[in-house]
Amino acid sequence: KAGVTQTPRYLIKTRGQQVTLSCSPISGHRSVSWYQQTPGQGLQFLFEYFSETQRNKGNFPGRFSGRQFSNSRSEMNVSTLELGDSALYLCASSLLRAVGTEAFFGQGTRLTVV
Amino acid sequence: AQKITQTQPGMFVQEKEAVTLDCTYDTSDQSYGLFWYKQPSSGEMIFLIYQGSYDEQNATEGRYSLNFQKARKSANLVISASQLGDSAMYFCAMRESLSGAGSYQLTFGKGTKLSVIP
Repeated sequence: KAGVTQTPRYLIKTRGQQVTLSCSPISGHRSVSWYQQTPGQGLQFLFEYFSETQRNKGNFPGRFSGRQFSNSRSEMNVSTLELGDSALYLCASSLLRAVGTEAFFGQGTRLTVV
Repeated sequence: AQKITQTQPGMFVQEKEAVTLDCTYDTSDQSYGLFWYKQPSSGEMIFLIYQGSYDEQNATEGRYSLNFQKARKSANLVISASQLGDSAMYFCAMRESLSGAGSYQLTFGKGTKLSVIP
């Protein structure tokens, strides 16, 4: 069974540009969550999608957005990039939306903003 | 207040020895789940072990066990017989039911960097 696939693995962008990251969850998983990981702030929740609907969003500015397609694949977009957006962006997929549901993570996309 | 606290930024352990990584949590929910993840330098978060708030037995998965003390709100990870490949960051995380608010996000601690010495 294929795991969670995130593309691209590495990205270098210039301040002010926009970027789109992709996440393909495990087959059959309908819940996709995104997290930002930085040395200073640690792992922070960005948003969660389930059945193509955003169910929850973390405390991030509106420059961060996402969507989920009918095949459960998800994309997140960051517009008007800032230096502080440099981070590892992790996607996690889950079978259900429940307290005890395990989240499977991808290898992440390492974004560098210069 | 932090929801997940990992007080050990870094730990060293001798190969083949056991090590305990500390985690305390804060929640007012009755139903919640506690998870431990391992993150090697490659970046991927690898699930290790899960403990539900209603589980009476401590969870075990191979060399990993979770020392769950509900009254103290602690969920320490014990790794037995450490191996060189165990060197990584370890994160404790919690998923709450938030009283039906519909949010199932994971909240992570800051992590503990474990180094296994040959």
